[in-house]
Amino acid sequence: LAKTTQPISMDSYEGQEVNITCSHNNIATNDYITWYQQFPSQGPRFIIQGYKTKVTNEVASLFIPADRKSSTLSLPRVSLSDTAVYYCLVGAPPPGSQGNLIFGKGTKLSVKP
Amino acid sequence: NAGVTQTPKFRVLKTGQSMTLLCAQDMNHEYMYWYRQDPGMGLRLIHYSVGEGTTAKGEVPDGYNVSRLKKQNFLLGLESAAPSQTSVYFCASSYGGRTYNEQFFGPGTRLTVL
Repeated sequence: LAKTTQPISMDSYEGQEVNITCSHNNIATNDYITWYQQFPSQGPRFIIQGYKTKVTNEVASLFIPADRKSSTLSLPRVSLSDTAVYYCLVGAPPPGSQGNLIFGKGTKLSVKP
Repeated sequence: NAGVTQTPKFRVLKTGQSMTLLCAQDMNHEYMYWYRQDPGMGLRLIHYSVGEGTTAKGEVPDGYNVSRLKKQNFLLGLESAAPSQTSVYFCASSYGGRTYNEQFFGPGTRLTVL
């Protein structure tokens, strides 16, 4: 099972770039890496997904080194509204064996003015 | 589109009572999931379904049953509720294939078992 490890919490200030790293040492060949954002009392929201190298969308970038044993979510110029918990998810389609879909415990990002 | 909806939003049960949580999605997604989230914990997968009429166990399936009789609905049942099942329950859905990790989540059901 491709379990993930993330920092429990991070602090930042408005306007800074934030990088959150996730370790997944036993990632499988078919696994994709996905990041979610969750605000209190809401369901998680998909941010970005990648397999290798770099992926960028309108809200974030995802960097994946060649060995794929870790990944880094990069949030450019954060604002107070980016204060949330960020989850790293590793898994492969289709959902196969029990526990194939595993969310990490998440990183609580606090953005200060 | 309503996306993913969950019914009810809140519920209080007594130990031993039963209930069913309903999840509905209008995006024609193949895959549907039930998670639970406890304070300070990440989401843990209870059961999932890769298509109408199919279900499979996730990480923490004990004490729960599910059914997917219609593609758009995924039901989570508690036959005999226990205090350990006090949690927030999230339903999610996704397309299949390589986009299956892009899950759309419902607003959650907050369940308290006394």
